[in-house]
Amino acid sequence: NAGVTQTPKFQVLKTGQSMTLQCAQDMNHNSMYWYRQDPGMGLRLIYYSASEGTTDKGEVPNGYNVSRLNKREFSLRLESAAPSQTSVYFCASSETGGISGYTFGSGTRLTVV
Amino acid sequence: AQSVAQPEDQVNVAEGNPLTVKCTYSVSGNPYLFWYVQYPNRGLQFLLKYITGDNLVKGSYGFEAEFNKSQTSFHLKKPSALVSDSALYFCAVRDNNFNKFYFGSGTKLNVKP
Repeated sequence: NAGVTQTPKFQVLKTGQSMTLQCAQDMNHNSMYWYRQDPGMGLRLIYYSASEGTTDKGEVPNGYNVSRLNKREFSLRLESAAPSQTSVYFCASSETGGISGYTFGSGTRLTVV
Repeated sequence: AQSVAQPEDQVNVAEGNPLTVKCTYSVSGNPYLFWYVQYPNRGLQFLLKYITGDNLVKGSYGFEAEFNKSQTSFHLKKPSALVSDSALYFCAVRDNNFNKFYFGSGTKLNVKP
């Protein structure tokens, strides 16, 4: 089925370790986004890419980096994981402007111990 | 600054009764408003949106939402709740300057048989 695919679905890291969360979409969308979801705080935007070749910071970018590898793929990297980064991470995509709304992946549940 | 508020962490309703999930917003310019639903261990799914036109918007699964400009609200409604409607609901507003969305903190809907 067409949509947004995230890998991995679950991950446990030790403090200080690094990892990359992968996201790919097959809907030919121009824009892609990374959110984190924490209890009682809803979804907060980490980084977004309005189009291939561009990336911008969202509300909570500290401790993260992103790469828009091509139109399909948008990865999120944690260089030195901290317990505060324990969260559920969602990737989403949309056509330019997002007027039709987002399509979300199923999420990555990350625990940093 | 753009923002979305969902004043209720949880809404409880009996099956067959009408339900309302509240959302208020703050945005510069014309608001683009959305509702999403999240089932356990899943990503968010689009329910409905308001861009322009009729203040009553109909969406998926029998849900509708009423846009009220004077009260800056966009409440989600359904005339007759189902147990299967139990989920987490998010209101979102589009930032018209930066083509990204801000999400509310979410409201957990519990529909009891």
